[in-house]
Amino acid sequence: NAGVTQTPKFQVLKTGQSMTLQCAQDMNHEYMSWYRQDPGMGLRLIHYSVGAGITDQGEVPNGYNVSRSTTEDFPLRLLSAAPSQTSVYFCASSYSGLTEAFFGQGTRLTVV
Amino acid sequence: QQPVQSPQAVILREGEDAVINCSSSKALYSVHWYRQKHGEAPVFLMILLKGGEQKGHEKISASFNEKKQQSSLYLTASQLSYSGTYFCGTDSEMNTGFQKLVFGTGTRLLVSP
Repeated sequence: NAGVTQTPKFQVLKTGQSMTLQCAQDMNHEYMSWYRQDPGMGLRLIHYSVGAGITDQGEVPNGYNVSRSTTEDFPLRLLSAAPSQTSVYFCASSYSGLTEAFFGQGTRLTVV
Repeated sequence: QQPVQSPQAVILREGEDAVINCSSSKALYSVHWYRQKHGEAPVFLMILLKGGEQKGHEKISASFNEKKQQSSLYLTASQLSYSGTYFCGTDSEMNTGFQKLVFGTGTRLLVSP
């Protein structure tokens, strides 16, 4: 049972490049979320999904897109990378909004 | 609005107790507590619901004061393994929960031998 798997673990991008951060879970969870974590800022919600085909914006959605075509996968797309998007990105999933959430191991992204 | 955690950092000796507070300016429906060790993913501790009872998990327990719009996390007889950063996440909408949590900036806890 792998839980929540994020790839890649590390990535360096040049300003203006695009890329997709992958997130997959094998627990059949309906709820999935993407967070970014910056020093001293805690976890900030980027986008979330409550089921296949249903996504919504969180606190800091600008510059990011998501889609949820299957229950298992919830990729995060950076459209045109900016240095301000340098951060650690976490994907999480949960059975419902009021149950334990499981986090992936994170993707450390640097934009130069 | 982001909940405020206090203290920002605390250093304990093994066996000592600590309290971490999480306060919000909004009415709360649930409070979620997570612990994150350096370089690792956050790990779930517990969820407290409006109208619910105080929760406990081994020597870590928490309370939820709806009137004061705050939650407190109690660490009793701390162990070295308790070191890490503790985050509270709050939600102020009925029927939401994790997918709309706003997390505090964290409390760094260091337990020394």
